[in-house]
Amino acid sequence: DAGVIQSPRHEVTEMGQEVTLRCKPISGHDYLFWYRQTMMRGLELLIYFNNNVPIDDSGMPEDRFSAKMPNASFSTLKIQPSEPRDSAVYFCASSFGAGLVTEAFFGQGTRLTVV
Amino acid sequence: GQQVMQIPQYQHVQEGEDFTTYCNSSTTLSNIQWYKQRPGGHPVFLIQLVKSGEVKKQKRLTFQFGEAKKNSSLHITATQTTDVGTYFCAGPGGGSQGNLIFGKGTKLSVKP
Repeated sequence: DAGVIQSPRHEVTEMGQEVTLRCKPISGHDYLFWYRQTMMRGLELLIYFNNNVPIDDSGMPEDRFSAKMPNASFSTLKIQPSEPRDSAVYFCASSFGAGLVTEAFFGQGTRLTVV
Repeated sequence: GQQVMQIPQYQHVQEGEDFTTYCNSSTTLSNIQWYKQRPGGHPVFLIQLVKSGEVKKQKRLTFQFGEAKKNSSLHITATQTTDVGTYFCAGPGGGSQGNLIFGKGTKLSVKP
């Protein structure tokens, strides 16, 4: 398996533009997580899905952020409109959990810069 | 919500010295995981501890889970330059099951 695949690896956009980050989890994994990493706040859990269903989105900072998982092999995180303070590295991770959360496999991340 | 506190935030050591990072939770954890993130990389799973008082070793790394399952530590013996990176502990968040909350991490630098 190629692991968790994220695209794009780098994104530079202007303030006010829409940004879409993409993630392909490891096949067979039933949990998918979106994290944001900054120097100030560390690794923040934004939202996670179980069997394609959003379970907890309490970490999503604002209504400008939305995430979807239309099927078991694809998820998106969208920011509309983007702001400079959204600049961060966004990680997608997946895991296989059977009652007890097991190890999470992270993608390479998307480095987002909003200017 | 559930928080996992980690100290210290930074640690600078001379190659060959030992290193320890500590993780604390205000509530009992069902399990705790440790990850390492190399500079410019992504977090990579190291180990998971489940049992009270559990101790696990991976070569020069020793992981402990407290008796009350509220704290954990990672100890590296005789650090090497390859140990450089940020070490995170992570535990299940409160409320909904299945989520994974990370501590702020300890950034280790090793001077050759």
